[in-house]
Amino acid sequence: QKEVEQNSGPLSVPEGAIASLNCTYSDRGSQSFFWYRQYSGKSPELIMFIYSNGDKEDGRFTAQLNKASQYVSLLIRDSQPSDSATYLCAVNRAGNMLTFGGGTRLMVKP
Amino acid sequence: ETGVTQTPRHLVMGMTNKKSLKCEQHLGHNAMYWYKQSAKKPLELMFVYNFKEQTENNSVPSRFSPECPNSSHLFLHLHTLQPEDSALYLCASSQEVGELFFGEGSRLTVL
Repeated sequence: QKEVEQNSGPLSVPEGAIASLNCTYSDRGSQSFFWYRQYSGKSPELIMFIYSNGDKEDGRFTAQLNKASQYVSLLIRDSQPSDSATYLCAVNRAGNMLTFGGGTRLMVKP
Repeated sequence: ETGVTQTPRHLVMGMTNKKSLKCEQHLGHNAMYWYKQSAKKPLELMFVYNFKEQTENNSVPSRFSPECPNSSHLFLHLHTLQPEDSALYLCASSQEVGELFFGEGSRLTVL
């Protein structure tokens, strides 16, 4: 079992729709959870992090965490073509080690 | 300069060469990282340095040798690499755990 799993996609949504990106992790001791966005040919950039169960909203982005189910998700409301990128889920268990999933490629079609 | 800068951006080397990748961060962060990104594989953590001290070595082969002379500079020394080491090598820094700021990466091709 992979430590952090994501559907590789591509996930295709129409412009203006809600994009839902999902991630599961295997280590119950994981403490903090991060979403990075990586445009093609660019390096990853942090867009959200969440530490506690529930929802955390930042603009059009909402991160959701369910530690009992070992599940974290990212919702993007009013998706725009500029949101087309690969979204990387990352999990921290302890120390400075961050484990990344393989990423989900999102395509937002005009 | 701002952020995290990496040089060179592209590097082609033979299996017997010795080369180095350089990373510099201008953010005042206390932790620096090397990650490897290969096609169709997740980002792999290679090394972590906190306040110049190596705190993580993620079972990386000895042909990769990191060096952190101060909290702003990080090097990755490369020698006798294999073609499967061809990848994008990303440097990152952070002040808070998990909140990484990445450089643009060094694209390495081993012939």
